[in-house]
This record gives sequence, structure tokens and C-alpha cells, in this order.
Amino acid sequence: DIQMTQSPSSLSASVGDRVTITCRASQSINNYLNWYQQKPGNAPKLLIYEASTLQTGVPSRFSASGSGTDFTLTISSLQPEDFATYYCLHQYTIPAWTFGQGTKVEIK
Amino acid sequence: QVTLRESGPALVKPTQSVTLTCTFSGFSLSTSGMCVSWIRQPPGKALEWLARIHWDDSKYYDTSLKTRLTISKDNSKNQVVVTMTNMDPVDTATYYCARTRGYSNGFDYWGQGALVTVSS
Repeated sequence: DIQMTQSPSSLSASVGDRVTITCRASQSINNYLNWYQQKPGNAPKLLIYEASTLQTGVPSRFSASGSGTDFTLTISSLQPEDFATYYCLHQYTIPAWTFGQGTKVEIK
Repeated sequence: QVTLRESGPALVKPTQSVTLTCTFSGFSLSTSGMCVSWIRQPPGKALEWLARIHWDDSKYYDTSLKTRLTISKDNSKNQVVVTMTNMDPVDTATYYCARTRGYSNGFDYWGQGALVTVSS
């Protein structure tokens, strides 16, 4: 199965900071990569699909890029509501899809 | 609008099986490209994809859990059911169902999740 490795596992940042999270696949997944945001007690929310396409309604401060094995999620100016845990997910293969282990973004 | 809701027992004993039902509205799982997955999250831990079923009844499972999982759908009831056998305390988690349109568009709608605790 394809493994997804996120880094860092956690980070501390201030409001207004630029934040970048990385996800690396154990083999090429083309652009079959999504990003999700999860706040405590809530279901995850889709932010980005197909590596770089912003889901409808998601603020433009979120952006993502990558293809093949290396992907990044960037928050251009961190807002108070962005403190959450972020997950990547690949949808490349049959049968299994796999999440990364998550990146917790905390307030500095 | 699209909604999904998980239901099932909140408490199961070790070695028992658990059956969870995802009841959805706002879309049809007989529509080309539609897919519903089950995902779980142990308390304080990461998300784990478990299984999915597509509009054409094709089914796929997590490699490490496939011997314990069975997924099915009932288009007339707008339901997707997953059964997991031989439950263990490590299977304690919130279980979510979520919808995908196509094979790469991500889980755009999620249920609120159902906590299943495995304990004697």
C-alpha cells in the first residue's frame, strides 16, 4: 500500500504567519491528493482536491501544490479559525486510500 | 442538500461484530461516479480509511482490515452498511461515512460520526 508521510507532526504559529505543511507519498500518486482540516469534535472538512483545486467555499488563503510524491499545503496568513489538525489523503490506487498522520497547527 | 448520518451500537464487547449504517440524502449511490467510504478515528489519533463502495457496486477495503470488513449498499433505502468482525478494544473509535464524487474529488460531505466503544 502507498504510505503518506506528513511533516511536521505539529507546529506552533502566530496569527498572520505563513504556514506550510508537507505530505510525501511512498510512490507516485500523480495528483490524486486531497487536504482536510479537522477541528476538535468535528468531522473533517475538505479543503483541496486533485492536489491544488480549492474546494468551493474554502478561503483563498489556502493553497496547495505538488504532483508525483511531494505535496504542500500553504496557509498564506494564518487566521484564528485555522488552528486545527490537517490531513492529506491519497486516492490513487485500487484498493486502498490512505491518510497521512496529521499535522496539528497550534497557537504560539 | 447532501447529508449523511451514521448509526449503530455505541458499545460492543470484544470478539463481537458491529454493524454500522450510513443513511444519506441529497444524492443517489446509483448515479455514475458516486462513492461512499467508511473512515474511523480512534480517540486522539489520526484518520484511517476503512472501505468504500462505488455506484457500480465495486468494493474496496483497507488491506490490513479486509478480512474483517464487509461493505454493502441498499439504493432503495439510501444506505451503506459496514460490518466489522472480531472487535477489539483497539477498534474503539469514531466511525464516519463520507461521500466522494468520482475517484479524485475527495470526501466532500461527511456524517457527524458515531463513537463505538469496545469494552467488556
